[in-house]
Amino acid sequence: DAGITQSPRHKVTETGTPVTLRCHQTENHRYMYWYRQDPGHGLRLIHYSYGVKDTDKGEVSDGYSVSRSKTEDFLLTLESATSSQTSVYFCAISEFAMGGQKGSNVLTFGAGSRLTVL
Amino acid sequence: GIQVEQSPPDLILQEGANSTLRCNFSDSVNNLQWFHQNPWGQLINLFYIPSGTKQNGRLSATTVATERYSLLYISSSQTTDSGVYFCAVGDTGGFKTIFGAGTRLFVKA
Repeated sequence: DAGITQSPRHKVTETGTPVTLRCHQTENHRYMYWYRQDPGHGLRLIHYSYGVKDTDKGEVSDGYSVSRSKTEDFLLTLESATSSQTSVYFCAISEFAMGGQKGSNVLTFGAGSRLTVL
Repeated sequence: GIQVEQSPPDLILQEGANSTLRCNFSDSVNNLQWFHQNPWGQLINLFYIPSGTKQNGRLSATTVATERYSLLYISSSQTTDSGVYFCAVGDTGGFKTIFGAGTRLFVKA
């Protein structure tokens, strides 16, 4: 997966417990993203990072927080997991490059983390 | 925000058939990508194609940015083409990439 490792790959937890998913990259890419995938919704952006300690919200950020203390790691935390957060979570990286008047943002994805909240 | 619509939602093909998948988007975009998710869940980038036409083997893609759509062509389909095809577009800031709901393809042997 192009130097992207997600952990854990599978997790079952109970409602109300905190959960942290980790994304680790060896590509030294500046940009990192967390998406969730649910049937009928494609992939929805939760949070993204454009550098160390620089993060911003995506489409579905409520109930999630992120941190990026070093280039290679991007953590996604569910402070108090709910059943609606049962999903498959994907991390992606990119090296945003400006070309002329347009930018490119080719995404490379990790293998995904399947989270079940009971 | 940008809306991305893909059609058809589901497609069943006989091996060897050709198909066209469509992606419509609601606003000007900075970039457009096509992804294939295989039955094991792995997401593979097929094309980065903000405009114009590209080909890679049996797959090709065309984006007409002024008319806000992109097409993915699959020729001589194979069973290994099965999976979900996603279109994804970048907003004008370029940092957010928004996905469509996907087209689920099943190729029968």
